[in-house]
Amino acid sequence: NAGVTQTPKFRILKIGQSMTLQCTQDMNHNYMYWYRQDPGMGLKLIYYSVGAGITDKGEVPNGYNVSRSTTEDFPLRLELAAPSQTSVYFCASTWTATNEKLFFGSGTQLSVL
Amino acid sequence: AQTVTQSQPEMSVQEAETVTLSCTYDTSESNYYLFWYKQPPSRQMILVIRQEAYKQQNATENRFSVNFQKAAKSFSLKISDSQLGDTAMYFCALGLGGTSYGKLTFGQGTILTVHP
Repeated sequence: NAGVTQTPKFRILKIGQSMTLQCTQDMNHNYMYWYRQDPGMGLKLIYYSVGAGITDKGEVPNGYNVSRSTTEDFPLRLELAAPSQTSVYFCASTWTATNEKLFFGSGTQLSVL
Repeated sequence: AQTVTQSQPEMSVQEAETVTLSCTYDTSESNYYLFWYKQPPSRQMILVIRQEAYKQQNATENRFSVNFQKAAKSFSLKISDSQLGDTAMYFCALGLGGTSYGKLTFGQGTILTVHP
């Protein structure tokens, strides 16, 4: 059972480039989330999804886009990367919204130079 | 809006001793959950303990226990018999109930170092 898988683990981007962070879960979870963790700080919610075809903004959505075409995948798209997007990105998922454990991926460390 | 505050940027403890990490929070909701997560240098997020706000009894998980003071909006973590493997960043987090469950608000974190 792989759980929540994020790729890549590390990436360096130049200012203005774009990329997609991949997140896949094999637990048939309905709810999926993207968080970012700036150096020395707690995690902040970027986007979330309660099921295929349904997404919504979190606390810090600017500069990002998401899609949820399948239950398993929840990619995060960065358009026109900026140094302020240098962070560690975590994907997480859970089965329902009723007191279930939140499963986290191992994170993607992104540097924008 | 929800807020979570951890006022101790760093803590240290000797192996086998007890340490308490502090957390205060604010929410106007009545249905919420509180969590402590551990983040070792591997950066993996590991759930340590979870508390449902409607439960008066404090949660415990082996060497980890919480002191949940609902009226004071305080949620501290006590680690007993500290081990070297407890060295990590610890985050306090708050999540609302219902469909907002996984939308967590995190504190700034406390770096805990366990010395031999």
